[in-house]
Amino acid sequence: QVQLQESGPGLVKPSQTLSLTCTVSGGSISSGGYYWSWIRQHPGKGLEWIGYIYYSGSTYYNPSLKSRVTISVDTSKNQFSLKLRSVTAADTAVYYCAAYELAEYFQHWGQGTLVTVSS
Amino acid sequence: SSELTQDPAVSVALGQTVRITCQGDSLRSYYASWYQQKPGQAPVLVIYGKNNRPSGIPDRFSGSSSGKTASLTITGAQAEDEADYYCNSRDSSGVVFGGGTKLTVL
Repeated sequence: QVQLQESGPGLVKPSQTLSLTCTVSGGSISSGGYYWSWIRQHPGKGLEWIGYIYYSGSTYYNPSLKSRVTISVDTSKNQFSLKLRSVTAADTAVYYCAAYELAEYFQHWGQGTLVTVSS
Repeated sequence: SSELTQDPAVSVALGQTVRITCQGDSLRSYYASWYQQKPGQAPVLVIYGKNNRPSGIPDRFSGSSSGKTASLTITGAQAEDEADYYCNSRDSSGVVFGGGTKLTVL
């Protein structure tokens, strides 16, 4: 059973870069079949897809965030990461990493981590 | 990108059947998947593909689709089914989620 766990700072200052890492256990990130994804949820709001990466390094981003987002993968550590640049208070949200199986459905989710953007 | 539209709130009497719908152009080309989210928890996949349930999801949950509308049906709703439900599909820009439906079990 694939399990995911987010890690990273819970507080980021405005204009800085939000950086999160997702550690995958119970399976190899290189095994194929999954697109490793980031999703966020603003407080009291719905889910917003940020982007995903395949183990080969191919990426796909939400057009509304594309200019500020980079997702990378480290197969040696079985991890993938999110960087969101130039953050504002509007980026305050719970950030989830998830495994997007066959590019059709999010089969496995991390527990989520709250990131607050504030000075 | 395209959008997926859901009713913000739906209620159902305990033991009755409820249908939660999701509309969007992407659903003409791609299946919807459905997620249940309870307060303070991560979403949980309940339906994917044509009408598939992951292991552990009760068979009272089912999915269907017609044209640009996908539906999640709970047959014999239980108190523990009270939650937010989100639909999702692929689209031309990547991935899209519906705005969510808050299900209240009366």
